[in-house]
Amino acid sequence: AQTVTQSQPEMSVQEAETVTLSCTYDTSESDYYLFWYKQPPSRQMILVIRQEAYKQQNATENRFSVNFQKAAKSFSLKISDSQLGDAAMYFCAYRSFTSGTYKYIFGTGTRLKVLA
Amino acid sequence: DARVTQTPRDKVTEMGQEVTMRCQPILGHNTVFWYRQTMMQGLELLAYFRNRAPLDDSGMPKDRFSAEMPDATLATLKIQPSEPRDSAVYFCASALGTGDQETQYFGPGTRLLVL
Repeated sequence: AQTVTQSQPEMSVQEAETVTLSCTYDTSESDYYLFWYKQPPSRQMILVIRQEAYKQQNATENRFSVNFQKAAKSFSLKISDSQLGDAAMYFCAYRSFTSGTYKYIFGTGTRLKVLA
Repeated sequence: DARVTQTPRDKVTEMGQEVTMRCQPILGHNTVFWYRQTMMQGLELLAYFRNRAPLDDSGMPKDRFSAEMPDATLATLKIQPSEPRDSAVYFCASALGTGDQETQYFGPGTRLLVL
């Protein structure tokens, strides 16, 4: 069975600094997608970034980038130039689509605090 | 700015009552997902639909939960009878189902408290 592990329940970063959130996963499938979602206090789940497993190039979205290590099954999120608005829960998620069926597995989340 | 909408935003009810949560997917999206988020279990996929047909509801307790899509603009999740352990935030998400490529977009969730 697939699993997603976020080993950091909470992280803090100084405003304007860089922080990396960790995520590891386990799967025997070869084709899948990985996502990072942000959940601010408003509760809304917001897609931050996605990575296709078949792509070697790491995804980037403005100040957000990932370090995808497929062999190590690692998918970390780097936030550069942290802003107060980045404070939220961050969830790593795995998705596969096999035989017409989706599997979505979410990690337990990392709470990011941004210090002014 | 297309968004997934959910109603109600918050619901407090007593054990044994029926609860209905509604979701309006983004117009044109043909895949709808229902999730439950709790502190203990995190985010769990309960069920999903494609073109209004249920494709997988294996994550959903069958005895008291039911999910339907009466039409393409409305998805419902019902709990009858509700129990305190059903207290959670229920999210709906929709996607433009193009198989492997699609990305899902979440609604704001319904926070349910069953007393």
